[in-house]
Amino acid sequence: QVQLVQSGAEVKKPGASVKVSCKASGYSFMSNAIHWVRQAPGQRLEWMGWVHAANGYTTYSEKFQGRVTITRDTSATTAYMELSSLTSEDTAVYYCARGANGGFDSWGQGTLVTVSS
Amino acid sequence: EIVLTQSPGTLSLSPGERATLSCRASQSLSSSYLAWYQQKPGQPPRLVIYDTSRRATGIPDRFSGSASGTDFTLTISRLEPEDFAVYYCQQFGRSLNMYTFGQGTKLDIK
Repeated sequence: QVQLVQSGAEVKKPGASVKVSCKASGYSFMSNAIHWVRQAPGQRLEWMGWVHAANGYTTYSEKFQGRVTITRDTSATTAYMELSSLTSEDTAVYYCARGANGGFDSWGQGTLVTVSS
Repeated sequence: EIVLTQSPGTLSLSPGERATLSCRASQSLSSSYLAWYQQKPGQPPRLVIYDTSRRATGIPDRFSGSASGTDFTLTISRLEPEDFAVYYCQQFGRSLNMYTFGQGTKLDIK
């Protein structure tokens, strides 16, 4: 079955960067995009961007353009999301999700990123 | 940018009742890529409906999706205890290659 397993929780200071990984298994990694979605406490889901596993093509939300970098390692069937210049407003659970049919059909378990001085 | 507005914010119903959740788009969608997700506390979202009306794998047939113009609806015909959760709609804007979510509807047990 499709599985997306994310790296563990992170605590960062303001101004730092964070890199979260998402290990995919149970399907042909090259066939789908991997998206990143975040959810601040009590807030709605917020799409950040995606990478197509086959060619590395990326698209980012305008809100995060210039601050987020999404990459993938096909040999490790793993996608990565790096977010820089962190502020307290970046405190959230970050999810990876597999793209399909204009939506997201499988999700990682989430990674809590806490930004605090 | 297309904005998705969900209503009501909270819906309080009893098991066995029918639930109707609404998602209104600020403009016509360029595709039928409208999806619904169910999220329970401490869990990631789960895909329920994709392409406006197609049930995702493993979703029971009491869940259905429909559309009329810019208004999209998720209907749960007979609520089961496990259906009480927050539901989000999401659209894919093909022209800008962007994705947006609604603010969510919390389905509460009455």
